[in-house]
Amino acid sequence: DAGVTQSPTHLIKTRGQQVTLRCSPKSGHDTVSWYQQALGQGPQFIFQYYEEEERQRGNFPDRFSGHQFPNYSSELNVNALLLGDSALYLCASSLVAATEAFFGQGTRLTVV
Amino acid sequence: AQSVTQPDIHITVSEGASLELRCNYSYGATPYLFWYVQSPGQGLQLLLKYFSGDTLVQGIKGFEAEFKRSQSSFNLRKPSVHWSDAAEYFCADFAGNAGNMLTFGGGTRLMVKP
Repeated sequence: DAGVTQSPTHLIKTRGQQVTLRCSPKSGHDTVSWYQQALGQGPQFIFQYYEEEERQRGNFPDRFSGHQFPNYSSELNVNALLLGDSALYLCASSLVAATEAFFGQGTRLTVV
Repeated sequence: AQSVTQPDIHITVSEGASLELRCNYSYGATPYLFWYVQSPGQGLQLLLKYFSGDTLVQGIKGFEAEFKRSQSSFNLRKPSVHWSDAAEYFCADFAGNAGNMLTFGGGTRLMVKP
């Protein structure tokens, strides 16, 4: 079992650009959640996808959007990047009725 | 809104000494509580979880945590710390009836002295 996989592991973008991060959930999981972890802080919930729809959203602007595909994989898109978007972005997968989530290794995004 | 507080930002202990990391939650209903560990540049690994029942829960790597409703606490403990335990530790609360999101504390960075 490959667990939760995220790509890329690192990337650098310029302010104003757009970025797409990808996540493949653990085998058998149908729900994907995204978290942003700024340096020195705990992860913050961005949103969750189930059945290809956004199920719950945290306190993030509309510049943050996502998508879930029929195979349950997911993308996180961030438009008009700001310096403050620099963070580790974590993907977590679970079953919709479960409370335990499994996390990927994260994507380190640096905005310059 | 629920919140999770980890009062200690940094803790340093000597190898072989005991460890206790503090966590306080504010969610009113019976909480679902977790402790995760994060090594530098890595994702989160689940150490243990509490849903209901026995208030003392055992986890991986020799960790345990005790749920105390009267104190709104879920402190993580280990009797004897190993150098490999040096990492960032996060307490989290699961808001099942608010969209299945985890709310994390700010984390406690553990350093282990030889």
